[in-house]
Amino acid sequence: ETGVTQSPTHLIKTRGQQVTLRCSSQSGHNTVSWYQQALGQGPQFIFQYYREEENGRGNFPPRFSGLQFPNYSSELNVNALELDDSALYLCASSLGAGRETQYFGPGTRLLVL
Amino acid sequence: AQSVTQLDSQVPVFEEAPVELRCNYSSSVSVYLFWYVQYPNQGLQLLLKYLSGSTLVKGINGFEAEFNKSQTSFHLRKPSVHISDTAEYFCAVRERRETSGSRLTFGEGTQLTVNP
Repeated sequence: ETGVTQSPTHLIKTRGQQVTLRCSSQSGHNTVSWYQQALGQGPQFIFQYYREEENGRGNFPPRFSGLQFPNYSSELNVNALELDDSALYLCASSLGAGRETQYFGPGTRLLVL
Repeated sequence: AQSVTQLDSQVPVFEEAPVELRCNYSSSVSVYLFWYVQYPNQGLQLLLKYLSGSTLVKGINGFEAEFNKSQTSFHLRKPSVHISDTAEYFCAVRERRETSGSRLTFGEGTQLTVNP
């Protein structure tokens, strides 16, 4: 059974640029959630995708957007990057959008200069 | 809305000593409870979870946690720690509902440092 994978592992962008982060969910999982973890803090929920539809959103501006594909992999897009967007971005997958446990990938570390 | 408070930001202990990492939560509805561990430069690994049933939950690596509904707590314990337990530990809650859109709310984390 393959776990959750994310790419790239690290990247550096400059303020104002756009970035796309990718996530492959664990085999059989149809739900993907994205979290932002700033340095020294706990993860904060960005949004969740269930069967290709956005299924809940945290307190993040619209420049944070996402997609889920028919194979349940997902992308997180961030436009007009700001310095405060520097963080570890975590993807988590689960069997469904209800009570099922979320399993996390290793994360993508984004640095905005 | 729910919130999680991890009462200690840092917990230093000696190897083979017992440890307790404290977590309190606030929610207007019933919740599921989780503890995750994060090793340096890695993602989150699930240690244990409370969904229902027995309030004492056993997880991986010898950890256990007890759900106390009256005190809204879910403290994590280990009777004897190892150097390899050095990591950041996160307590998280999730609303108990079957509808879509449930999310994890995390605490700020507790850095456990095990010294020789």
